[in-house]
Amino acid sequence: QVQLQESGPGLVKPSQTLSLTCTVSGGSISGGTDYWSWIRQPAGKGLEWIGRIYASGSTTYNPSLKSRITISLDASKNQFSLTVSFVTAADTAVYYCTKNPDWGSTFDSWGQGILVTVSS
Amino acid sequence: DIEMTQSPSSLSASVGDRITITCRASQNINDFLNWYQQRPGKAPNLLIYTASRLQSGVPSRFSGSGSGTDFTLTISSLQPEDFATYFCQQRHSVPITFGGGTTVEIK
Repeated sequence: QVQLQESGPGLVKPSQTLSLTCTVSGGSISGGTDYWSWIRQPAGKGLEWIGRIYASGSTTYNPSLKSRITISLDASKNQFSLTVSFVTAADTAVYYCTKNPDWGSTFDSWGQGILVTVSS
Repeated sequence: DIEMTQSPSSLSASVGDRITITCRASQNINDFLNWYQQRPGKAPNLLIYTASRLQSGVPSRFSGSGSGTDFTLTISSLQPEDFATYFCQQRHSVPITFGGGTTVEIK
């Protein structure tokens, strides 16, 4: 059973860059046929898909965020990462890293989530 | 973007009740519809995929149906651990989108 764990700063200042890492255990991030996604959830609200990366390194982003986000992977560390630039208070949320199989965007494994607050 | 609309946004029910949650897509998504359960302070957990397929380890009291634009999640007999928020999600098109959620509360 694959396990995912998010890490990164819990507080980011407005206009700066948010950077998070997801460490994957129990499976190879680059050796399989899975996609690795980021999803976020503002407090008390719904879920927003941010984007995904495949084992090959190819990425797909939510058009609403595309200009500000980058997802990358580090196969040597079995990790994938998210950066969000020029953050505002609207980027305050719990950020989840997830796994889905290559046959479809079905999120069958999730990290516990990490709260990121954007505030000065 | 495909908009997913859930109803009701919340409901109150008792242990043992049968409940149904509805999810409507703004366009035809065939059966590319998933359901998740989220307990307070926890990550969502996959319950149903491809509209009606039960994820491994999920109790059989959960079931899903529908295709096209209209879908339902049914819990046949509510258990105490089922009081949570439920989300639908379409995987037909990028961007992947979720419904607003349905919170099931104890009556």
